[in-house]
Amino acid sequence: DGGITQSPKYLFRKEGQNVTLSCEQNLNHDAMYWYRQDPGQGLRLIYYSQIVNDFQKGDIAEGYSVSREKKESFPLTVTSAQKNPTAFYLCASSIGTANGYTFGSGTRLTVV
Amino acid sequence: AQSVSQHNHHVILSEAASLELGCNYSYGGTVNLFWYVQYPGQHLQLLLKYFSGDPLVKGIKGFEAEFIKSKFSFNLRKPSVQWSDTAEYFCAVNEGEGYSTLTFGKGTMLLVSP
Repeated sequence: DGGITQSPKYLFRKEGQNVTLSCEQNLNHDAMYWYRQDPGQGLRLIYYSQIVNDFQKGDIAEGYSVSREKKESFPLTVTSAQKNPTAFYLCASSIGTANGYTFGSGTRLTVV
Repeated sequence: AQSVSQHNHHVILSEAASLELGCNYSYGGTVNLFWYVQYPGQHLQLLLKYFSGDPLVKGIKGFEAEFIKSKFSFNLRKPSVQWSDTAEYFCAVNEGEGYSTLTFGKGTMLLVSP
């Protein structure tokens, strides 16, 4: 079945460490996205990529970095510069803009 | 930048009650509108979408939404809710012309008591 796979489901890191969240899709979608979900905040866009080797900052990109070396993959690195990294991270992909997004099941990151 | 406002953060209903969740957006041009649902422990799923045509759109599980352009609104409705509708509901919008990412509202948590 086609879909988006995020791994791991739960991730624990010590403060000051960088951590990379994986996102893989086999939907052949060109565009991929990273959102952060916090209680009462909805989803906020971190980074997005319309095509391979190109990506743009979203509304809350500070402290995060991404790469898009393959169409299928869009990993997100949460760096030590991110002041409040503990959150639920959602990856999504889309084809066109009128069809909405397909979401992965998310990664819950806890930094202690 | 566009913004999306969902009127209620929490809604509590009894089974068989009617549901209406409000959503307003700020963008004045052509828009695509979406409602997503997140059931407990599950990923976000698309309930329904509007991008043109009939402003009353029907989605899965008996949900529908009406686009009222003059009010910049896209309210979600269901005539009779079930316990299994307990979930968080998100309204989202992007611009209908050119490339645009989705902007989400803050969500409404619906609790349906049996």
